[in-house]
Amino acid sequence: DIQMTQSPSSLSASVGDRVTITCRASENINSYLNWFQQKPGKAPKLLIYAASTLPSGVPSRFSGSGSGTHFTLTITSLQPEDFATYYCHQSYDTWTFGQGTRVEMK
Amino acid sequence: QVELRESGPGLVKPSETLSLTCSVVGGSIRNYYWHWIRQPAGKGLEWIGHFYFSGSTNYNPSLKNRVSMSADTSTSQLSLKLTSLTAADTAVYFCARGGYGSASYYYAPDYWGQGTLVTVSS
Repeated sequence: DIQMTQSPSSLSASVGDRVTITCRASENINSYLNWFQQKPGKAPKLLIYAASTLPSGVPSRFSGSGSGTHFTLTITSLQPEDFATYYCHQSYDTWTFGQGTRVEMK
Repeated sequence: QVELRESGPGLVKPSETLSLTCSVVGGSIRNYYWHWIRQPAGKGLEWIGHFYFSGSTNYNPSLKNRVSMSADTSTSQLSLKLTSLTAADTAVYFCARGGYGSASYYYAPDYWGQGTLVTVSS
């Protein structure tokens, strides 16, 4: 299986902060990388697909970049509703997810 | 607006078989990939497998010998069966809609159900 490793596992930030989460794949996955946001008790929500494309309705403060084995999710100005857990996900081979990054309020 | 609703027994005994249903409301299951994903409490997401409306399936190798998926296009319901349950199968189980068309296996799921909690305990 392709292993997905996120860093950090958790972070504390304030409203307005710029936040960056990194995801590394154990092998080349081209751009078959997606990001999900999950809030407690809720289903994951698709945030970015194909490494850098935002689905309709996702705010432009979210952005994704990368290809191959190294990817990043950036939130340019953290909003109160952004405190959540974020997962990267590869769909190149047998699907796997990163372990998650919890974004907490400082 | 497509809505997915999982349903199941809630509590299952070890060694028994889990049967879950995902009802698709407001849309057709035709031409889409349908995924099952689970999440133990406080932990990350694990892909169980997918079902394509044509009947093709692909399962996570870690569960392959115990899982089966199917669908009833007439009722727009998806089914997941997982055999030989252990406590490690305790999780919230989600169904989710994937890509449209046979070549869209890699498309990320855009619609998810709310999840159903399954507890394996005697």
